[in-house]
Amino acid sequence: DGGITQSPKYLFRKEGQNVTLSCEQNLNHDAMYWYRQDPGQGLRLIYYSQIVNDFQKGDIAEGYSVSREKKESFPLTVTSAQKNPTAFYLCASSVLGGQGGTSRYGYTFGSGTRLTVV
Amino acid sequence: AQKITQTQPGMFVQEKEAVTLDCTYDTSDPSYGLFWYKQPSSGEMIFLIYQGSYDQQNATEGRYSLNFQKARKSANLVISASQLGDSAMYFCAMRGADKLIFGTGTRLQVFP
Repeated sequence: DGGITQSPKYLFRKEGQNVTLSCEQNLNHDAMYWYRQDPGQGLRLIYYSQIVNDFQKGDIAEGYSVSREKKESFPLTVTSAQKNPTAFYLCASSVLGGQGGTSRYGYTFGSGTRLTVV
Repeated sequence: AQKITQTQPGMFVQEKEAVTLDCTYDTSDPSYGLFWYKQPSSGEMIFLIYQGSYDQQNATEGRYSLNFQKARKSANLVISASQLGDSAMYFCAMRGADKLIFGTGTRLQVFP
């Protein structure tokens, strides 16, 4: 079955440590996205990529980095510069092409990674 | 700039009753898509319903319907015959040219 796999499900980070969250999709989607969700809040866009070897900052990119070396993979690194990294992180992918108003196929989401600083 | 607003942090509804979750949006793009997602406590995002900006009729998917009022820039979700399993967070989202943005969500609680 096609889908998005995020790992690990739970991750603990020590102060000053970089950690990398994995996101892999086998849907042949061109675009991939990382969102952050804080308790009781909506999803905020961190980074997104529409093509291999290219990505754009979202609304809250500071303290995060990404790479897109393969179409299927879009890992997110939470660096030590991110002062408040404890949150739920969701990866998503989508098709490209067509206008936003005509594409009913929004995003496919992974099951998320819950990151906690200890 | 695009923006999604959900003004109801929490809603209660009795089982078998209907409930409306509010969503307003702002965009200058003539072409956009509006989505509703359900997020249970497990954290997964479950797609519920979609409305395109050019669609003439309101979208329906089973017990879910979207009350789309383009002039008022609103896209309210109506859940009919609520079930206990409908208790979750509900997010309205809008897709523009290249990304999906979300509202802050509404927590729905269904009681017997």
